[in-house]
Amino acid sequence: DAGVTQSPTHLIKTRGQQVTLRCSPKSGHDTVSWYQQALGQGPQFIFQYYEEEERQRGNFPDRFSGHQFPNYSSELNVNALLLGDSALYLCASSLTGIHGYTFGSGTRLTVV
Amino acid sequence: EDQVTQSPEALRLQEGESSSLNCSYTVSGLRGLFWYRQDPGKGPEFLFTLYSAGEEKEKERLKATLTKKESFLHITAPKPEDSATYLCAVQAEGNKLVFGAGTILRVKS
Repeated sequence: DAGVTQSPTHLIKTRGQQVTLRCSPKSGHDTVSWYQQALGQGPQFIFQYYEEEERQRGNFPDRFSGHQFPNYSSELNVNALLLGDSALYLCASSLTGIHGYTFGSGTRLTVV
Repeated sequence: EDQVTQSPEALRLQEGESSSLNCSYTVSGLRGLFWYRQDPGKGPEFLFTLYSAGEEKEKERLKATLTKKESFLHITAPKPEDSATYLCAVQAEGNKLVFGAGTILRVKS
């Protein structure tokens, strides 16, 4: 049973560019959340998607956007990259109404 | 504002030396408190969920407890393979998790 799959695992981008990160949830899960984890910090909630709609959003600028597809997979897009966007981006999936989140291994984004 | 504070920031133990990690939280309407283990460069791995004060859960050398203001993760007779960052998170309004900064645990043989 595959867990949460994220791609790519590592990415280097230049300041001002745009990036798309991808996530396939655990089988049977219908909700996808995205978190940003800076070095030495705990993960920070970006947003959550359910039924292809953004259900909840954290304190992140509009440069951060997302999408959920009918098969429950999700994308995180970041425009106009800043050096401060360098972080580990984590995807977590869950089943609505059931507590418990399964995290992927993350995408390490470096902005130079 | 929901807030989670973990202490200590880092902890060095000798193999077999038991200790506890602390997680203090401020949240309106706690829906669950979660403990995760995170290895370097990896995503958090689920350990426990606690829902109400007085609840306790155990798994191998780990035991998590919950009060109305804080949670403890007790590590009994730790081994080097227990070395990791331990994250505490609370689920409040909606479904988002609010994480602490974590405790980095190093166990030396």
